[in-house]
Amino acid sequence: QKEVEQNSGPLSVPEGAIASLNCTYSDRGSQSFFWYRQYSGKSPELIMSIYSNGDKEDGRFTAQLNKASQYVSLLIRDSQPSDSATYLCAVNRKSGGYNKLIFGAGTRLAVHP
Amino acid sequence: ETGVTQTPRHLVMGMTNKKSLKCEQHLGHNAMYWYKQSAKKPLELMFVYSLEERVENNSVPSRFSPECPNSSHLFLHLHTLQPEDSALYLCASSQFTSGSAYEQYFGPGTRLTVT
Repeated sequence: QKEVEQNSGPLSVPEGAIASLNCTYSDRGSQSFFWYRQYSGKSPELIMSIYSNGDKEDGRFTAQLNKASQYVSLLIRDSQPSDSATYLCAVNRKSGGYNKLIFGAGTRLAVHP
Repeated sequence: ETGVTQTPRHLVMGMTNKKSLKCEQHLGHNAMYWYKQSAKKPLELMFVYSLEERVENNSVPSRFSPECPNSSHLFLHLHTLQPEDSALYLCASSQFTSGSAYEQYFGPGTRLTVT
């Protein structure tokens, strides 16, 4: 089992719809969760972080965390073509006394006009 | 701009060359990271430096040699690379504590091609 799993996609949604991206993780001790957006040929850009169960909203983005079920999701409301990118889920893992991030392979989102 | 810069942005090198990648962060962070991103593969953590001390070397071949002279600068020295080392090399920085994992901010990356 991969430590951080994401559906590779592509997830195709029409402009204006809600895009829902999901991520599951295996380490029950994980406490920190992050979503990054990566455009083709570019580096990952941090868009959301979440540390507590429940929802966290930032503009059109909402991150949802359920530690009991070991999943974290990202909702994008009013999706725009400019949201088309690969979305990476990252989860912390304790290693040798410090925390490091484990990344999923990413979900490719395509928003079509 | 995230406050993390990398040079060069593109690099083509032969298998017998020696080159270095440079990363600089202007965020006041105390940890820096090297990642490798190959096509259709997840980000692979290569090295972690905290307070200029290497805390992780993720089974990386010795042809990759990191150097962290201070908390703002990180280098990756390359020698006798293989074509399969062609990838996007990403530098990141963050605050570092043993208790929490803080956000990592990435530089633009160096696209490396080994011929």
